[in-house]
Amino acid sequence: DAKTTQPPSMDCAEGRAANLPCNHSTISGNEYVYWYRQIHSQGPQYIIHGLKNNETNEMASLIITEDRKSSTLILPHATLRDTAVYYCIVRLGGYSTLTFGKGTMLLVSP
Amino acid sequence: DTEVTQTPKHLVMGMTNKKSLKCEQHMGHRAMYWYKQKAKKPPELMFVYSYEKLSINESVPSRFSPECPNSSLLNLHLHALQPEDSALYLCASSQDMGQGVGYTFGSGTRLTVV
Repeated sequence: DAKTTQPPSMDCAEGRAANLPCNHSTISGNEYVYWYRQIHSQGPQYIIHGLKNNETNEMASLIITEDRKSSTLILPHATLRDTAVYYCIVRLGGYSTLTFGKGTMLLVSP
Repeated sequence: DTEVTQTPKHLVMGMTNKKSLKCEQHMGHRAMYWYKQKAKKPPELMFVYSYEKLSINESVPSRFSPECPNSSLLNLHLHALQPEDSALYLCASSQDMGQGVGYTFGSGTRLTVV
């Protein structure tokens, strides 16, 4: 699986958009980009995933660059409850497992 | 039911004890996973069951023994653990091991070995 690089921490004001970057320059054509988050003392929570196209769901938007070497997770209106560690994971297509990196600690402040 | 339920939530055990962690899901998922998470570290995969058969063992010491009695249940039997095994143990499930909407995780069992 391709390796990912994320900033260790980010801050965001409540109500503003949180843009979390992820670099995955060695990604292969059949590898998907997944985002999970883990709120303190809870299990990880699936957010979104994509292959080539941008994706949006009720939680977030995922923007993948055309060369697929990086992506951005966007939380459009961050709330205090979005404070968590966000993991960007590149996962091989077909049968593979989820391997977590260090993630980004997002702190949303009032 | 869209949850993965783990019991107990907290467990303290001595190094000579035998205990078991339990994980249950009723989403019809056929792949189930055990992860271990040390403080301030990301989760690390331990075992994968696919269609009730052990598919992956990430070189986990034999003092951890997984069991999948049926498609809804996953157990982790613990014996002769060491204090360094203290961690949050997470269970997850997915439709199968292929690409999909991802894994559903439980809230974990926080294990302390004394």
